[in-house]
Amino acid sequence: KAGVTQTPRYLIKTRGQQVTLSCSPISGHRSVSWYQQTPGQGLQFLFEYFSETQRNKGNFPGRFSGRQFSNSRSEMNVSTLELGDSALYLCASSAGVIVNEKLFFGSGTQLSVL
Amino acid sequence: LAKTTQPISMDSYEGQEVNITCSHNNIATNDYITWYQQFPSQGPRFIIQGYKTKVTNEVASLFIPADRKSSTLSLPRVSLSDTAVYYCLVGDGYSGAGSYQLTFGKGTKLSVIP
Repeated sequence: KAGVTQTPRYLIKTRGQQVTLSCSPISGHRSVSWYQQTPGQGLQFLFEYFSETQRNKGNFPGRFSGRQFSNSRSEMNVSTLELGDSALYLCASSAGVIVNEKLFFGSGTQLSVL
Repeated sequence: LAKTTQPISMDSYEGQEVNITCSHNNIATNDYITWYQQFPSQGPRFIIQGYKTKVTNEVASLFIPADRKSSTLSLPRVSLSDTAVYYCLVGDGYSGAGSYQLTFGKGTKLSVIP
């Protein structure tokens, strides 16, 4: 069974630009959640999608948005990039029956904002 | 919102048992406690999950006292390959906006010494 796939693996953008990251969950998983990881703040929850609907949301500004497609693949978008958005962005998938159930993480997208 | 507190780092010699404790004073009544392991440049990997008392699997044990305000991950006979960052994850329950929050601890960097 293929694991969680995130693309691209690395990304370099400049301030003010926008970026879209992609996540393909494990086959059969209906929940996809996104996290931001930085050395200073650690792993922070962005949002979670289940059956194409945002089910839960963390404390991030509206510049961070996402969506989920009918095949459960998910995209995350960050608009008007800031230097502080440089981070490893991780997505995780799960069956989605309960919110805090076993998560399967991808290897992440390393975003650098210059 | 629940906050989790873990030691920032720990050192251990190969073959020893390692215990990492996570404090989560405001854990939601119906939430689970989950521990993850993360190696550099990889997403976190599920280790173990529990609700109360003790849970054991092939790689670790999880001890949760009756008040559930803390949990202890126990790694028996660690090896060099156990050098990683360990996170505990709890849910914060539902916020006023109706979103369910997930909080990762800052993580404990375990270094196993030959």
